[in-house]
Amino acid sequence: QVQVIQSGAEVKKPGSSVKVSCKTSGGTFNTDTLTWVRQAPGQGLEWMGAIIPMFGTANYAQKFQGRVTINADKSTTTVYMELSSLRFDDTAVYYCAREVWSGNDNWLDPWGQGTLVTVSS
Amino acid sequence: DIQMTQSPSSLSASIGDRVTLTCRASQGITNFLNWYQQKPGKAPKLLIYAASSLASGVPSRFSGSGSGTDFTLTISSLQPEDFATYYCQQSYTTPRTFGQGTKVEIK
Repeated sequence: QVQVIQSGAEVKKPGSSVKVSCKTSGGTFNTDTLTWVRQAPGQGLEWMGAIIPMFGTANYAQKFQGRVTINADKSTTTVYMELSSLRFDDTAVYYCAREVWSGNDNWLDPWGQGTLVTVSS
Repeated sequence: DIQMTQSPSSLSASIGDRVTLTCRASQGITNFLNWYQQKPGKAPKLLIYAASSLASGVPSRFSGSGSGTDFTLTISSLQPEDFATYYCQQSYTTPRTFGQGTKVEIK
């Protein structure tokens, strides 16, 4: 059974950076696709980017290009998402999820519990 | 980017009702369409993948259909635990995109 456990809540000042971790277990870490999705208060889900640890190169949504970095530590089966130049509207719950591939189909499962990042002065 | 549009944005229904939610993609995505259920304060949970395949452990009252640009999620007999927000997501290409959600409330 694959499990995804994220780091705890963060409070950050505008202009600073935040780094959220996502530890997985029970899967095939190197070949899994680990994805980051965020959800602002009362809003919908927004895909930020994803990484396959075996390849090491992440794919980012255009909206976050230049501000987000996703990387993976194979030794600890942990993926990290760092968002820089934080703004008030980056306040959100950040989710890590495994993208499952089966044949030509793919979906997100399981999801981590979410990490609340609050940007406040 | 592929835009996903869900309708309605919210609906009120009673226990036992048959409920149908709709999701439309801005371009064809064959069957690369997933549905998730989210309850307040919780992470989304996979319900349906590949447009019509039921995820493990999901009750059979949930079903999905569609292909191309138009998709539906049907709950055949609404139960108290089904009151939640439902999101569709295309997995045809990156960036993966989600619909804005449909909130199912108690009438």
